[in-house]
Amino acid sequence: AQSVTQLDSQVPVFEEAPVELRCNYSSSVSVYLFWYVQYPNQGLQLLLKYLSGSTLVESINGFEAEFNKSQTSFHLRKPSVHISDTAEYFCAVSVGPGTYKYIFGTGTRLKVLA
Amino acid sequence: GAVVSQHPSWVICKSGTSVKIECRSLDFQATTMFWYRQFPKQSLMLMATSNEGSKATYEQGVEKDKFLINHASLTLSTLTVTSAHPEDSSFYICSARIPTSFETQYFGPGTRLLVL
Repeated sequence: AQSVTQLDSQVPVFEEAPVELRCNYSSSVSVYLFWYVQYPNQGLQLLLKYLSGSTLVESINGFEAEFNKSQTSFHLRKPSVHISDTAEYFCAVSVGPGTYKYIFGTGTRLKVLA
Repeated sequence: GAVVSQHPSWVICKSGTSVKIECRSLDFQATTMFWYRQFPKQSLMLMATSNEGSKATYEQGVEKDKFLINHASLTLSTLTVTSAHPEDSSFYICSARIPTSFETQYFGPGTRLLVL
């Protein structure tokens, strides 16, 4: 069965410091990988995704994630965080064939400190 | 592009009443929509997959008679919480899939339901 693990439930980091949010998955078939961000009382916004091709994917606001097949990981990184990055971050895998339902991790709360 | 809306954003109701939540894809046709439930400080739990023109597929443990889902058009899916009780209070989020991007879901802003 497929599963997604986000080991860190909370990550406090000072503004302008780098951050890494970890995501590991378990699947016996090919998956598509996603990072979503959720601000308080809002839905999820797509941050970035890996479907195929280059294993390093980037978002427009400075985040990047690298797909590592051997380690079954898709960690999210940002070299310098801002206060506005404070939010909940969810890693998800989409498993096919068929409905391509999402399996979500439990989320990581990023708290950026001034 | 790929905007999904939900209505209402907030609803408070009395125990025993039914509540309908709408999920619309504003700028695309969504053959598949998903309904999730999120408890405070927890992850999203998939409730059901809604396909236009057919019956929804419910996840194990989700009561289909309790949570009625209708996907009557390519841009609208509704979730009706029937005979709501306080334990149904939660954050309900829908998502939709673009036909040309079958692996990616776009999420609505969510609906917070409080049952008194």
